[in-house]
Amino acid sequence: GAVVSQHPSWVICKSGTSVKIECRSLDFQATTMFWYRQFPKQSLMLMATSNEGSKATYEQGVEKDKFLINHASLTLSTLTVTSAHPEDSSFYICSAGGVSTEAFFGQGTRLTVV
Amino acid sequence: GQQLNQSPQSMFIQEGEDVSMNCTSSSIFNTWLWYKQDPGEGPVLLIALYKAGELTSNGRLTAQFGITRKDSFLNISASIPSDVGIYFCAGLAGGTSYGKLTFGQGTILTVHP
Repeated sequence: GAVVSQHPSWVICKSGTSVKIECRSLDFQATTMFWYRQFPKQSLMLMATSNEGSKATYEQGVEKDKFLINHASLTLSTLTVTSAHPEDSSFYICSAGGVSTEAFFGQGTRLTVV
Repeated sequence: GQQLNQSPQSMFIQEGEDVSMNCTSSSIFNTWLWYKQDPGEGPVLLIALYKAGELTSNGRLTAQFGITRKDSFLNISASIPSDVGIYFCAGLAGGTSYGKLTFGQGTILTVHP
């Protein structure tokens, strides 16, 4: 149980375009999902907390207009990187909580902006 | 904000050796978790600890929740090549949303056959 699926696993996009990443909880309802960014060989940096039916809570320094989060249902949260630039290239990971104190992670999305 | 100090940052060991890594914090956590991340993948939960002093095993892995609730360690016995990856400790503080974790910096483990 507690399976989280993230899609796509990798994406390459042109600078200036927008990219949407999906995070789904497959076998449980997730009232809260979390979006992280990770640079090579570094820890996970929390970007925002996605709450079903309400606005996301962004961590300090994360541009909410740049990284749009939507949590329209109890099983789906999306992260849209708007007007992507090469510096947005990174590994983005979602996790879902609300079942217990643990968090279960998606497979991650490798974003490359060219 | 809260931070977890994880050490060592990296380890290079021979297959069959035992491994130990730990995390410390200046503040108390109610839950300690240990994750492993393979390259290009999301972290996978290895062990969850819920009570101070708790010692839990999962196969060759053993982890303990420190009695002060400010530290935890993970041991891997008889390492094998597939143990290679990055290991993260994570903590959940009281009063925070379920799943909102604080992470350590990670320990990069390399196992030589």
